[in-house]
Amino acid sequence: AQSVTQPDIHITVSEGASLELRCNYSYGATPYLFWYVQSPGQGLQLLLKYFSGDTLVQGIKGFEAEFKRSQSSFNLRKPSVHWSDAAEYFCAVGASRGGGFKTIFGAGTRLFVKA
Amino acid sequence: GAGVSQSPSNKVTEKGKDVELRCDPISGHTALYWYRQRLGQGLEFLIYFQGNSAPDKSGLPSDRFSAERTGESVSTLTIQRTQQEDSAVYLCASSLRLGPGTDTQYFGPGTRLTVL
Repeated sequence: AQSVTQPDIHITVSEGASLELRCNYSYGATPYLFWYVQSPGQGLQLLLKYFSGDTLVQGIKGFEAEFKRSQSSFNLRKPSVHWSDAAEYFCAVGASRGGGFKTIFGAGTRLFVKA
Repeated sequence: GAGVSQSPSNKVTEKGKDVELRCDPISGHTALYWYRQRLGQGLEFLIYFQGNSAPDKSGLPSDRFSAERTGESVSTLTIQRTQQEDSAVYLCASSLRLGPGTDTQYFGPGTRLTVL
């Protein structure tokens, strides 16, 4: 069965420091991978997605993620965190199901940014 | 509209009552999804629609939950005989079509349901 694991429930980084949020997935075929961000009081917003091709994917707000098939990982990175990046981040895998397509989300990692 | 809208934004109900949650997807989006997010947890997939059809209802938690979609537009999620464990934020999303290349989902702000 498909699943997504985000090992870190919460992470705290200093403003200006680099960030890496971990995501591991379980899926039998080539996965379709997503990172979403949920800011306080706002809906989920897509940061980036991977379907095929270059394994390093660039997203919005300066985020990037790298797909590593050998490690079943799709970690999210940002070189320099801003206070406005404090939010909850969800990794997700898309899976074909019953002729359709279903997105399975991880439990999320809450990012705190300290001054 | 410009984005996915959901109503009501907040709903407080008494245990045993029925509730209806509404989702207006982005115009032209044929795929629509419902998720549940319990406090401090990730998103739990409930059901998706391709057009007005819901081919996979296995994500619905119980037979108290049902959903429909009409005119490839508005969808309603109905919870009958609500229980306290139904308290959560219910999120709706829509995408242009089903499938990995077109499955960028745009989420609504959610409906926060509280069952007393």
